[in-house]
Formats: sequence, structure tokens, C-alpha cells
Amino acid sequence: KQEVTQIPAALSVPEGENLVLNCSFTDSAIYNLQWFRQDPGKGLTSLLLIQSSQREQTSGRLNASLDKSSGRSTLYIAASQPGDSATYLCAVKWAGRRALTFGSGTRLQVQP
Amino acid sequence: NAGVTQTPKFRILKIGQSMTLQCTQDMNHNYMYWYRQDPGMGLKLIYYSVGAGITDKGEVPNGYNVSRSTTEDFPLRLELAAPSQTSVYFCASSDRDSANEKLFFGSGTQLSVL
Repeated sequence: KQEVTQIPAALSVPEGENLVLNCSFTDSAIYNLQWFRQDPGKGLTSLLLIQSSQREQTSGRLNASLDKSSGRSTLYIAASQPGDSATYLCAVKWAGRRALTFGSGTRLQVQP
Repeated sequence: NAGVTQTPKFRILKIGQSMTLQCTQDMNHNYMYWYRQDPGMGLKLIYYSVGAGITDKGEVPNGYNVSRSTTEDFPLRLELAAPSQTSVYFCASSDRDSANEKLFFGSGTQLSVL
């Protein structure tokens, strides 16, 4: 069964810390992987999309890596800020499937 | 720059009532999706559409219906509301089915069935 898992479910860090969020998936035949941010009561915003042929993508303080062979992706956030507090979800699109499969998310709180 | 717009934002239904969740996008995207998100869970796909006149079931379609008469609109219909349909519903769209596609989401509809 194709599944996406995110551990931990919640994370609290002090401001300024560099942090890593984890995402694992059960089938390495992925088409792409996206990281999303969700603020309370809001929709999801796509942060980074990594194609299956890529190893990483960067946007500002965010860096996402992809290791298909181990079934893992990480989202690295540098110099975290209170404004980074949100839930971060990863989602995988597998080859031959139309839609994304989402993990349950990691709820991040950055303490001032 | 509206993007994906969902209405209503909140709704309370009684068991057995029906309603339609509206979704419209102004980005001329061909692909549109309906997801539901239960507390502490990831999103699950209800229905999707690859273009006007074409719809297909996702993972959890039971109890729902959709239509796609135009590129812009993709309404989701609940015919006989049940407590199990209490959830947050998200509509999303994307430009095309490719490795470069990004998904754009609406702000969601919080539905309670009592």
C-alpha cells in the first residue's frame, strides 16, 4: 500500500534554530513530492515541489531534499522564526496515479 | 488575484439534509480536486476532474457527487448528510498533469453534521 508518514506530529523549537522535518513514503516509484504549509483555518500553500529526477529544491530559507531509494524527504528550515509556525504537510504523487497522497503533517511552533 | 474560491466557509447541517459546496478558480486550470481533511489527518481525495465534462472518483467518494460543466467551477454535492461527513473540505486546482504541476488550494469549508 502506498502511504506517506510524517514524524513527529508536533515540534516546538526556540526562535533562530535550524530544524528538519521528515517525510517517508513506502513506494520509491514517485512522480513528484510537494511540501505544503497550512496555517490554522486556512488552505494549503505549496512551498516546494521536487520532481523524481531531482535531489533537492531551495526557496529562501527552505530546502527540501529527496532520496527515493530510502523513501525519504526532508524539509530544512534555516534560522526559524515565529512566523514559520504552522503545520507542514508532504504529499507524494506516484507514477500512474492522478492525485496526491498526503501525510498527516507536522505541527511546528517556533517560540519567540 | 482570487485563485481558488470556496463558499461557504462554515456550515452546520442536520442529518439527512443536502447541500452543495461551491468552488471556482480563475487560473484557467484544467485539473480540479476535492479533498477532505479530518482532525489530525492528512487530506483524502474525494473526486477530481481533468477538464470540463470529465470527473472521476478518488479514495473516498461515497456520499458525494460532483459535476464540471465549465472549466472554472467544480461544485461538490452532499445528498444525505451523515455525521461521518463532518470535516473540512478543500478544493484545489492545477495547471496540468505533469511533474512540474503545483496544487493551488482554496481556504476550505468547515462542515458539521449534527
